[in-house]
Formats: sequence, C-alpha cells, structure tokens
Amino acid sequence: DGGITQSPKYLFRKEGQNVTLSCEQNLNHDAMYWYRQDPGQGLRLIYYSQIVNDFQKGDIAEGYSVSREKKESFPLTVTSAQKNPTAFYLCASTTATAPQHFGDGTRLSIL
Amino acid sequence: SQKIEQNSEALNIQEGKTATLTCNYTNYSPAYLQWYRQDPGRGPVFLLLIRENEKEKRKERLKVTFDTTLKQSLFHITASQPADSATYLCATHVSGGSYIPTFGRGTSLIVHP
Repeated sequence: DGGITQSPKYLFRKEGQNVTLSCEQNLNHDAMYWYRQDPGQGLRLIYYSQIVNDFQKGDIAEGYSVSREKKESFPLTVTSAQKNPTAFYLCASTTATAPQHFGDGTRLSIL
Repeated sequence: SQKIEQNSEALNIQEGKTATLTCNYTNYSPAYLQWYRQDPGRGPVFLLLIRENEKEKRKERLKVTFDTTLKQSLFHITASQPADSATYLCATHVSGGSYIPTFGRGTSLIVHP
C-alpha cells in the first residue's frame, strides 16, 4: 500500500542537540510538507518542497532545516536554535491540487 | 491576513444524532475547502473536498456545505456513532500559486453511546 512513513514515532532531544525526523513517501508525489502541531493549535507550516532539490520556508522555519535530495524523502532537522521544539510533527505529501496525505507524526520532547 | 476559525469547544452529542461542525473564514475567498479527520496521536485523514462553485457534497453519512456569502462551511455526520469521535479539521486553499492550504485548529467531536 502506498503511504507516508514517519520515524521515529517518539523522539527525545537533549540540550544543544540537533535531531532529524524522517519522512518517506511511496506515492510518487511531487510536493512534500512539514507541519508542527501544538495542543489546541492548528497545523503550522515549517517547510515545503514542490520538486526535488528545491524547498521553501513556511511560517515558522526558524530553528529548522530540511533537504530534498530524493523525490520520496524529505527529512526535517530540528536544530539547537529551536528553543521550544516540544511538539507533534507531521509530514504530508500531495500532487497538484489534490488533498494532502499525512504520516502518523513524530512526537518530539526535550530531556 | 487569511483567517480560518473552527469552534474550539468540543461538541458532545448522543449516538444516532446528527453532528454539525462549523468552519468560518475571513479576508479571502478560497477556491475549495477540505475536511480532515484526526485521531489522537495520528495524522489527519482526508474526508471530503468541496469547490467554491459547489453548494453541497455528500459521502455516505457525511455532508459538507459551502456558503461563499456567509464565508462558512458546515460539516455534518448523520446517524453519528461513538467511532466518529475524533478531531475534525477544515482546510482552505486559494487558487493560483503554490498549493499551501490553511488549516483550522479543529473541533473535537465526542459521540456518547
């Protein structure tokens, strides 16, 4: 079955540490997205990529970085510059104007 | 700026009743609007899409309306079941440019047996 796989499901970050969240899709979608979801909040866009080797900042890109070297992969790095990283992170993909397909998220916490 | 609002209070209803959730938007005219379901600890799952030139869309027990005059969409679940309990998100998209939807915060629906 086609879909989006996010890993790990739970992740803990130590002070001053960078961590990377994985997102892989086998839907052959061109566009991929990273969102952050906090309790009681809507989805906030961190980064998005519409084609390989190109990506754009979303509304809350500070403290995050991404890469898009392959069509199926869009990893997100939460850097030490992100002072409040505790949140639920969602990856999504889509093609053209179709609805987004989401992964099951990674919950990041600070140790 | 584009603004999308969903009722932040949870909606509690009895099994078998119709649940109605509201999505309001201001300062823009979306080309279409989508509804997603999100269960705790899971990613949102797409349910229905309605375009600006459509008044109503149905899928099984689900019905969505889109009123561009009121700038509002209503999402109905008829004959609700406890399994329908989840958070429902609406998302809007304007025509042209990058496909970046704007998501509401979601409304929690609790269906009591």
